[in-house]
Amino acid sequence: EIVLTQSPGTLSLSPGERAILSCRASQSVSSTYLAWYQQKPGQAPRLLIYGASSRATGIPDRFSGSGSGTDFTLTISRLEPEDFAVYYCQQYGSSYIFGQGTKLEIK
Amino acid sequence: QVQLVQSGAEVKKPGASVKVSCKASAYTFTNYNLHWVRQAPGQGLEWMGIIRPSGETAVHMFQDRLTMTRDTSTNTVFMELSSLRSEDTALYYCATEPALGYKFDYWGQGTLVTVSS
Repeated sequence: EIVLTQSPGTLSLSPGERAILSCRASQSVSSTYLAWYQQKPGQAPRLLIYGASSRATGIPDRFSGSGSGTDFTLTISRLEPEDFAVYYCQQYGSSYIFGQGTKLEIK
Repeated sequence: QVQLVQSGAEVKKPGASVKVSCKASAYTFTNYNLHWVRQAPGQGLEWMGIIRPSGETAVHMFQDRLTMTRDTSTNTVFMELSSLRSEDTALYYCATEPALGYKFDYWGQGTLVTVSS
């Protein structure tokens, strides 16, 4: 079974800065099957990115996804106060696996 | 606007079963995959299983303990987890996936299941 490892575990940044979150797969994954979610405290996860680089409906263009093979990245170009949350990557292989999450906190 | 409304919080004793419902509005389950995902307190997301438009189910790592069913007349899907243990204490979410979408685009609000003696 594919394992997704997200890094860093916690990322401390200030509003206005750029955030780069990594998701590494234990074996090659089709970009079609890679998604990113945002979760704020007390809320259900929200789909941000699917197919590695396509933004979901209503997601601001400061969020972008990239990558292929085993290495994928979620970039938030200029952090807004509402972006501080936990981010998960997910892939579909024989099952739907989530990474362990990256907590993006205010510095 | 698609909405998934889940049943309320449950408290169960170890060894018991729990059944959580997820009712959809604005579309029908027969056109989408429906997933169950859980999140233990302070932990990450764990995919549990899928029920497909055909009614076929697939379960991940819960073997015989997890049963997913649906009632097409009420557009409701059910998740039943048996032989509960303390480690099953978690928030349980349902989420939709459009056919071949590989993305969970709509989520229920979550149902807290607490297993405690």
